[in-house]
Amino acid sequence: GAVVSQHPSWVICKSGTSVKIECRSLDFQATTMFWYRQFPKQSLMLMATSNEGSKATYEQGVEKDKFLINHASLTLSTLTVTSAHPEDSSFYICSALTGEGEKLFFGSGTQLSVL
Amino acid sequence: QQQVKQSPQSLIVQKGGISIINCAYENTAFDYFPWYQQFPGKGPALLIAIRPDVSEKKEGRFTISFNKSAKQFSLHIMDSQPGDSATYFCAASIGGTYKYIFGTGTRLKVLA
Repeated sequence: GAVVSQHPSWVICKSGTSVKIECRSLDFQATTMFWYRQFPKQSLMLMATSNEGSKATYEQGVEKDKFLINHASLTLSTLTVTSAHPEDSSFYICSALTGEGEKLFFGSGTQLSVL
Repeated sequence: QQQVKQSPQSLIVQKGGISIINCAYENTAFDYFPWYQQFPGKGPALLIAIRPDVSEKKEGRFTISFNKSAKQFSLHIMDSQPGDSATYFCAASIGGTYKYIFGTGTRLKVLA
């Protein structure tokens, strides 16, 4: 299957700092990528849809000023958690659609811990 | 309407047994139903997927059964192995949107 690389796999930061998470499609071009958040033992909650060259579309209840998404190229989308606080601690996962559509492949996730 | 209900929440199966996970949906506009497997600390991996125009799809030990009239679908894992121990998520999407709605997950443990 297609490979989606996510980096870093884990990050610890102090409260008030910003953290950037990268999501790359390694062997295909992805015009659309998605960002999810997952709490322990819970399901994946869609945060936003990232489209190359345009603004991200955020789900209801997701603060777009706190979770900045940039999709500057067909293989890279980034999520920046700005002014992170302990309640932002979570497992963040990106995914990308293959060119043939509908098959969604996920990155390995980023565990964010805000102290 | 947008929810996908998944059961059971957890499942323990003996090695060699059959694991069955069920999902139900309300929105008849859903037309794509994938299943994902997730190991701790990892992202979900696509296992198998089905569309409403077929009632069953099999890939290796994994089978999806789909009941359109009941708006239900299920994952069957035949000859379950300890390596299958993971969390399984069903999902549903509406064609063209690719916005997946995920079930709540089932934690499967296969005993050796």
